Amino acid sequence: LAKTTQPISMDSYEGQEVNITCSHNNIATNDYITWYQQFPSQGPRFIIQGYKTKVTNEVASLFIPADRKSSTLSLPRVSLSDTAVYYCLVGAWMDSSYKLIFGSGTRLLVRP
Amino acid sequence: NAGVTQTPKFRILKIGQSMTLQCTQDMNHNYMYWYRQDPGMGLKLIYYSVGAGITDKGEVPNGYNVSRSTTEDFPLRLELAAPSQTSVYFCASSYSKGEGGYTFGSGTRLTVV
Repeated sequence: LAKTTQPISMDSYEGQEVNITCSHNNIATNDYITWYQQFPSQGPRFIIQGYKTKVTNEVASLFIPADRKSSTLSLPRVSLSDTAVYYCLVGAWMDSSYKLIFGSGTRLLVRP
Repeated sequence: NAGVTQTPKFRILKIGQSMTLQCTQDMNHNYMYWYRQDPGMGLKLIYYSVGAGITDKGEVPNGYNVSRSTTEDFPLRLELAAPSQTSVYFCASSYSKGEGGYTFGSGTRLTVV
C-alpha cells in the first residue's frame, strides 16, 4: 500500500514555475510533510518541510491544504540545475510500528 | 562539521561474503536510518534506530543486521551477500523523527558478483 503518490516525471523549461503535488490520504495527525531533492550519485538533500498552510524558504514553497491529504512543492523560476528527482516523505504504519517512508519520487527535467 | 560519514564509498563483494557498512554522525542526532536505492528507483528503508541500544526493522530488513552501541555510530551488516543486495546504501540521521528533516551521507555503492 503506497503511502504517498507523486507523478513519475515532469518536464519544464528554464524560468518557469514548477509545481509538484504529492498525495498522502492517510497522513497521521502528527506527521510533517518533507520534500527532498536528489541528484544522480548523491544522497537526498532536504528542501522544505511543513505541517499545515504554507511554508516558504529561499529555494521553494510548500502548500498544504487544510485537510493535509496532499501537498504541493513549488519551485519558482527553475534552472537547468534543478533537474533532479524530488521526493515527498510522510510517515506510515508498518508491522505495528511507525516508520518514515519515501515515495517513489518525481523526476523533473528542466529544458533550455 | 562532517555531518554523516559513510565508508567505504565503493565495494565489490562475492556471493556469500560478508561486510559491514560504516556510518558515523557528529551532530548528536538520536535518530539514524539505513536506506537502499536500486538503480532508477526510490529509497527503501532497511533499518532505523531511535537511540543507542534501540533498533527497528524498516521495509526491507531481510539479509541485513544493525547495531547501535553509541549515538554516533550505526553500522549495517551484510552476512551472506547476494546479487539482490547490489545497490547504493544511504545512511541518514535526524534530531527527531521527521521534524527538521534528515541529513544523508554520500552513499556506499555495493556490487555483489
